[in-house]
Amino acid sequence: EAQVTQNPRYLITVTGKKLTVTCSQNMNHEYMSWYRQDPGLGLRQIYYSMNVEVTDKGDVPEGYKVSRKEKRNFPLILESPSPNQTSLYFCASRFLSSGSRNEQYFGPGTRLTVT
Amino acid sequence: AQSVTQPDIHITVSEGASLELRCNYSYGATPYLFWYVQSPGQGLQLLLKYFSGDTLVQGIKGFEAEFKRSQSSFNLRKPSVHWSDAAEYFCAVGEPGANNLFFGTGTRLTVIP
Repeated sequence: EAQVTQNPRYLITVTGKKLTVTCSQNMNHEYMSWYRQDPGLGLRQIYYSMNVEVTDKGDVPEGYKVSRKEKRNFPLILESPSPNQTSLYFCASRFLSSGSRNEQYFGPGTRLTVT
Repeated sequence: AQSVTQPDIHITVSEGASLELRCNYSYGATPYLFWYVQSPGQGLQLLLKYFSGDTLVQGIKGFEAEFKRSQSSFNLRKPSVHWSDAAEYFCAVGEPGANNLFFGTGTRLTVIP
């Protein structure tokens, strides 16, 4: 089954404790992206990657890191989480060809709470 | 820069009633347009999409949306709402040749018996 998976689905952590949220897709998509969803703000892009070893900042990259060492995986790293990073996080992926027309496939989400 | 406006934060409808969720976008040309639904505790599911051609598009779960260029709108409709349609709905816009999707702030739909 074609899908985007994220782990963990729920995470409660404390300020400053480094964490990684994993994202994996099995559709051979070149493009992968991370979003955060906050009430009243919709989804905002954190980082994206157009292929292996190619990453770039989205609209709200501060406090986050990403890496793309393999095509299928795109982990989101919070080196020193803070309470304002409490949010619902979504990973997404798609093909880069013009035929894909920006249609993205989303993972199930990771709800992160930083105390 | 693109922007997407969903003017209704929360809508309540009775089961069986018709539904229209509004979406307006700001973009110079014709963008790619999407509606996603997020059920409680779930991820985002694509309901329908518009790229070009017929301005009335059909999606899953009995939803449809109409692209109106003159109004820069892409409103989502359903003739008869079911209780299982209670969810949050997001309109999204993609620019041809770009990589990102721009999302509206969402409309939460409550369905009452």
